[in-house]
Parts: sequence; C-alpha cells; structure tokens
Amino acid sequence: ETGVTQSPTHLIKTRGQQVTLRCSSQSGHNTVSWYQQALGQGPQFIFQYYREEENGRGNFPPRFSGLQFPNYSSELNVNALELDDSALYLCASRPGTSGGRGGELFFGEGSRLTVL
Amino acid sequence: QQQVKQSPQSLIVQKGGISIINCAYENTAFDYFPWYQQFPGKGPALLIAIRPDVSEKKEGRFTISFNKSAKQFSLHIMDSQPGDSATYFCAASIRGFGNEKLTFGTGTRLTIIP
Repeated sequence: ETGVTQSPTHLIKTRGQQVTLRCSSQSGHNTVSWYQQALGQGPQFIFQYYREEENGRGNFPPRFSGLQFPNYSSELNVNALELDDSALYLCASRPGTSGGRGGELFFGEGSRLTVL
Repeated sequence: QQQVKQSPQSLIVQKGGISIINCAYENTAFDYFPWYQQFPGKGPALLIAIRPDVSEKKEGRFTISFNKSAKQFSLHIMDSQPGDSATYFCAASIRGFGNEKLTFGTGTRLTIIP
C-alpha cells in the first residue's frame, strides 16, 4: 500500500471531450506529480505541484492542467481529448521539504483512460 | 529526445539465475538513478536507487552497478525468483532543483521461469 489512491480506475471518453482524474495522497505529502504511461512505455512526467502551485512541467500542451488542494488531494484535467491521450495516468506523491525536494516517490495504481 | 535508454525490452531467466538490465543516460546533470518495479495493474514501486558518488549499491538480492564515465547503470537480480516477474524501469533525475521530475526508460519485461 502506497497510500496514494486514484479514481476512476478505468474510463472511456470520445475525442474532443474533457476528463478529470483524481488523486488522494497521504497526509503530509505536499508534493504531487502526474505521469502519463502509454502502453508498453515508461511513465512520462506531466507536471508537479508543491503546496498547491505548479513548480515543474514536462513536454505536455496547456490542455493538460492540474490542481492541488490543501487536503492532499489533486486533479489532472485534460481538455479536447485526442486519441493519443489514451494511456495510464499515474499520480505520485512524496513528503517534501522546501520546494518539494527529497523523499521517496509513491505511485498510485493509475487511471486507465481510453479515448475513442 | 530519449534521455534514458533501457535494454533489453524483454528478458527470460531461469529460476535461480541472474537477471541483468542495462540503462544508459545522456544528461550528465542527472544525479539520482532509481529503479522501479511494476506489476500488472499496479503503479511503479521504488526498488533501489543510487547516486553517482558510488559505483555499486546492494540491497538483498538487488544490486545497482554504476559507471559514471560511461554514463551507464545496471540492475542485477541475483537468485531470480518467479515473484520477480514484472516490468522494471530505470529512471534518472536531477535532485538539485525543486522540480524532481523522473525521466524513465522504456521498461524491461522480466519473466522468471521455473
């Protein structure tokens, strides 16, 4: 058990729709990051939040956005879904000190998104 | 640009044998190299990690060997067991900044046969 729970576990959307994925982290884990894992590939960094502010972003377009809340929960929102957005979306959290550095990264089991 | 290259893509090892997975990186600013284990339907879990100031780290049956000059590192699983069958990912990050994004390799599907 990593203490990171994600919902929903599976969902199907059609191209052009919008989706919100949710994550709940352990108490005290004030750094959360999101990764996209395409089938047969390694996870790719989308962005990271520390104390409710985005403090790092990977090579993903602005239609990927996020929120982090004071209760250690977070959201990943994807607008204007494309077929290539089909993937496993992983939330990961860590206890962080200044700037979110340090500590092991704990992953959730992911939300599998299929875009038709 | 793939900054971390991993091989082989798949590996079959007999029970009790040694499993070896290799990774190479390009960015010399990387200073943290973890290995993750992922079972089907689960998220990746940290297995073992190394910093570039040491050449080897061992934890139980798992060993990381690190070659800074060659920009390569590898995972060795000794006495491989069927329960080790999973997908393994190497990764790298720069810990000096607040944004510690992990750059992952493409993964190795390991199968341990009896």
